[in-house]
Amino acid sequence: ETGVTQSPTHLIKTRGQQVTLRCSSQSGHNTVSWYQQALGQGPQFIFQYYREEENGRGNFPPRFSGLQFPNYSSELNVNAMELDDSALYLCAGGPKGATMVYGYTFGSGTRLTVV
Amino acid sequence: ELKVEQNPLFLSMQEGKNYTIYCNYSTTSDRLYWYRQDPGKSLESLFVLLSNGAVKQEGRLMASLDTKARLSTLHITAAVHDLSATYFCAVDIFGNEKLTFGTGTRLTIIP
Repeated sequence: ETGVTQSPTHLIKTRGQQVTLRCSSQSGHNTVSWYQQALGQGPQFIFQYYREEENGRGNFPPRFSGLQFPNYSSELNVNAMELDDSALYLCAGGPKGATMVYGYTFGSGTRLTVV
Repeated sequence: ELKVEQNPLFLSMQEGKNYTIYCNYSTTSDRLYWYRQDPGKSLESLFVLLSNGAVKQEGRLMASLDTKARLSTLHITAAVHDLSATYFCAVDIFGNEKLTFGTGTRLTIIP
């Protein structure tokens, strides 16, 4: 498998619910980052995982949490969802340090709508 | 706090014309990225600029970086309709590998 794959592509949830978004990255992608992109805005950094440990976090509340697994897959969990959580969620993966050469490889994203 | 600003936010231009998108950032950084995003789609990496004076070109697009001025430009030459998209610049503080994106420039090429 090459590149970065996200699932599901679209999701509708009710305010207050919990959701898990998934990202599968290719072998060797030991760094994964998650971004939130609200409509009409640039992506905002949520957090990064490196070798299964959180390696930095943006300005997002604790109800946004994540996991990274040994098989280069990762999850973004959002608890107690709010209407403002409606956005495109993007996963970016790569070998640590390689982004200097190749840039970040982004997945196709999950469009989350909270109603 | 690192801030990244792009201008213009919206750009409508005729095919065959030239134009430049500007990206200003507030904190010293040696790494700047340009991405393209089509409506409803993910981000496509265009350029990685790693040093002062770096210039890269791909087709009708050329990007440059001036770290002293904290400015990057994306120049479009003889625009064609296929270049219609939103363009983002993003900055990565050295060793951080966490991107701060600009506001985006929505480019529309009119036949």
